[in-house]
Amino acid sequence: DAGITQSPRHKVTETGTPVTLRCHQTENHRYMYWYRQDPGHGLRLIHYSYGVKDTDKGEVSDGYSVSRSKTEDFLLTLESATSSQTSVYFCAIRTGGPYGYTFGSGTRLTVV
Amino acid sequence: GENVEQHPSTLSVQEGDSAVIKCTYSDSASNYFPWYKQELGKRPQLIIDIRSNVGEKKDQRIAVTLNKTAKHFSLHITETQPEDSAVYFCAASFTDKLIFGTGTRLQVFP
Repeated sequence: DAGITQSPRHKVTETGTPVTLRCHQTENHRYMYWYRQDPGHGLRLIHYSYGVKDTDKGEVSDGYSVSRSKTEDFLLTLESATSSQTSVYFCAIRTGGPYGYTFGSGTRLTVV
Repeated sequence: GENVEQHPSTLSVQEGDSAVIKCTYSDSASNYFPWYKQELGKRPQLIIDIRSNVGEKKDQRIAVTLNKTAKHFSLHITETQPEDSAVYFCAASFTDKLIFGTGTRLQVFP
């Protein structure tokens, strides 16, 4: 769908371990975003990128880092996973007009 | 700060009735207001959007209204059907990003 894929789709990891989620796009869009979705909180922005090596923080960036070394890939890293980071993570790319977003299929992360 | 409030959190209607979901935003500079529908286990998908130079936009059974002075915008669904059951999110633009409301779970009963 609109050339955006997330991997893995599901992951279970232990507290304190590092985890990296990948978002890949095939359409050369400049803007990419990472959101987390939790019941009662909707979609909250973690980090976003406006170009290669250009990133900025969102609403809930503590405990997360990102990297974008090439246009097509935007990586989200949890340096030391905690149970509070159990969530569904969505990547999005800006595809239509100035702000039209297309979301990936999501990654369900469970930290035990 | 950047904030979008959405109400109600849950909404139950009878098939054929109308449903209204309301959002408010904090930044008067916001100029783009999309609505997303998310079915269970799926990704959010854009259903309608409105820009700040327009007061109302309609697409078949759904419509969105915007009151810039009050910083309010609303989603209206008429003649609801069971397939409209989903979680709906509003969002507002803040510079380069979208900030989302907390979502409304709409249930349409046959």
